[in-house]
Amino acid sequence: KNQVEQSPQSLIILEGKNCTLQCNYTVSPFSNLRWYKQDTGRGPVSLTIMTFSENTKSNGRYTATLDADTKQSSLHITASQLSDSASYICVVSAQAGTALIFGKGTTLSVSS
Amino acid sequence: GAGVSQSPSNKVTEKGKDVELRCDPISGHTALYWYRQSLGQGLEFLIYFQGNSAPDKSGLPSDRFSAERTGGSVSTLTIQRTQQEDSAVYLCASSAWTSNVELFFGEGSRLTVL
Repeated sequence: KNQVEQSPQSLIILEGKNCTLQCNYTVSPFSNLRWYKQDTGRGPVSLTIMTFSENTKSNGRYTATLDADTKQSSLHITASQLSDSASYICVVSAQAGTALIFGKGTTLSVSS
Repeated sequence: GAGVSQSPSNKVTEKGKDVELRCDPISGHTALYWYRQSLGQGLEFLIYFQGNSAPDKSGLPSDRFSAERTGGSVSTLTIQRTQQEDSAVYLCASSAWTSNVELFFGEGSRLTVL
């Protein structure tokens, strides 16, 4: 069964600290992996999209990694800011088109 | 428009009533998706449009749910005889086409069925 598991479920960190969010998947065949940020009450916004051949992709203070062999991805946030407080969702595409498998997300709270 | 627009942003209805949720995708985007997000759950796929046709409607949970898209643009998701378990945020997304391209989401329509 195609699944995307994210950990931790929630995380609280101090402003300025770094953190890493994990995503494990069993989706096959693999097409691409995406990380989205969803602020409370808003729609998800894309952070990165990685295909099979990409190991690392950065978007400002966000760096995503992908290990297609172990079917794991991580999202590293550097020098966290209060505005990083949100839900981070890992999404894996099994094939082009509609087969997007969403994780349940990690809720990050950044406190001052 | 500049982004995906959804309306209403909030809808409270009584059990048994019909509701219509509207999505106006980014101009020129041929692919349109509807998702449902329940509290504490991941996004659940409902239906996908390519142009005006729906090649994948496998996620619609029951025959009370239907969707249409006209003119390759605006889409309407209709829920008939609403039930309390239909309460959720309904998100619409569009993309220029399928395959490795970014999905742009609307802000969602929060439906509460009393």
